[in-house]
Amino acid sequence: AQSVSQHNHHVILSEAASLELGCNYSYGGTVNLFWYVQYPGQHLQLLLKYFSGDPLVKGIKGFEAEFIKSKFSFNLRKPSVQWSDTAEYFCAVNGAAGNKLTFGGGTRVLVKP
Amino acid sequence: DGGITQSPKYLFRKEGQNVTLSCEQNLNHDAMYWYRQDPGQGLRLIYYSQIVNDFQKGDIAEGYSVSREKKESFPLTVTSAQKNPTAFYLCASSLSAGASYEQYFGPGTRLTVT
Repeated sequence: AQSVSQHNHHVILSEAASLELGCNYSYGGTVNLFWYVQYPGQHLQLLLKYFSGDPLVKGIKGFEAEFIKSKFSFNLRKPSVQWSDTAEYFCAVNGAAGNKLTFGGGTRVLVKP
Repeated sequence: DGGITQSPKYLFRKEGQNVTLSCEQNLNHDAMYWYRQDPGQGLRLIYYSQIVNDFQKGDIAEGYSVSREKKESFPLTVTSAQKNPTAFYLCASSLSAGASYEQYFGPGTRLTVT
């Protein structure tokens, strides 16, 4: 069975600080990887995704994530956060042969103005 | 304006009662999903449907039931057999059920059972 682990449950930053959220997964085969974001009062929405190719993927709002296959990791980064990045972030994995998305526990990020 | 609607936003029920949560999509998606979100546990898959009149259990299906009689609708019933029904429930859909299809989420229904 596949599983996803997000190491930080809560992160507090000041504006302009850099953000990195860890995500590790366990699954033996080829995977598709996702980061979703849930802004306060809004729908869960896709931030970025990795299926194949360049392991460094860029998403919306200046976010990027790097897939490191040897470490089973897909960490999310943003060089300089804004107050509007306050949200809960979820890493998700889908075994490429399957159709079930498995989510991590989420990381709540609070950016102080 | 295409999207997924869930109603109601907040729902209160007494213990022992069944309750049905609505999910409608006008995206013409074949696949639909129900997740439960609890603090610190992320989203857990309850049921999913790849096509009309077909559905499969997810990771935590016990105490829940679904139907998929129409492509655009995928209601979830929380039965009295569900031991911890109080949670935030999210419905999602995707063009198809394959691994490479993005899932789109509704606004959610917060169910409180007392």
